[in-house]
Amino acid sequence: GAVVSQHPSRVICKSGTSVKIECRSLDFQATTMFWYRQFPKQSLMLMATSNEGSKATYEQGVEKDKFLINHASLTLSTLTVTSAHPEDSSFYICSASNQGTNYGYTFGSGTRLTVV
Amino acid sequence: KQEVTQIPAALSVPEGENLVLNCSFTDSAIYNLQWFRQDPGKGLTSLLLIQSSQREQTSGRLNASLDKSSGRSTLYIAASQPGDSATYLCAVRGGSNYKLTFGKGTLLTVNP
Repeated sequence: GAVVSQHPSRVICKSGTSVKIECRSLDFQATTMFWYRQFPKQSLMLMATSNEGSKATYEQGVEKDKFLINHASLTLSTLTVTSAHPEDSSFYICSASNQGTNYGYTFGSGTRLTVV
Repeated sequence: KQEVTQIPAALSVPEGENLVLNCSFTDSAIYNLQWFRQDPGKGLTSLLLIQSSQREQTSGRLNASLDKSSGRSTLYIAASQPGDSATYLCAVRGGSNYKLTFGKGTLLTVNP
């Protein structure tokens, strides 16, 4: 079945530094991947749609210069949180969909970001 | 704008009980509906996917139904077990785009 691998699972960084999160589709090609953010005891909120070979599409209210997305290949999308601040601390999850799963979504295991 | 509501927000049951989780959505023009399970601090595990043309899907002790015209879906869990304890999320995919809209989830606790 479709597998999405996300790394790292946890990261702690100092305020002002940048953090990169990787999302890989292991057994299928994903022209589109999605990045979500989840606050404690809340549901997932879509941040952006990552498109292979083109610019990402950001949801309203999400700063594109803050959350840089690169989708350079059909199996890899990265999210870079630039100049991280404590309020960026959250759980970030990526997902992808493909024909093999009847266009259902497969999610990565998530990344817990803590900015100190 | 699509809105997804899940009821109840939390549910605690004794082991062995059959239970139903509810999901409703405001825009019936959906492509599909997916039920997920999320354990604390973990990602999402897909449980069942129902296409817009389908009425139900089954996997083991799980059965999900879809009534698109009324904007409702239910997830039925038979003979619940402590290992079923998790947050269950309902998500709908829009008919005209790839976006998923999530409900806030139902936190299920199955007591031994």
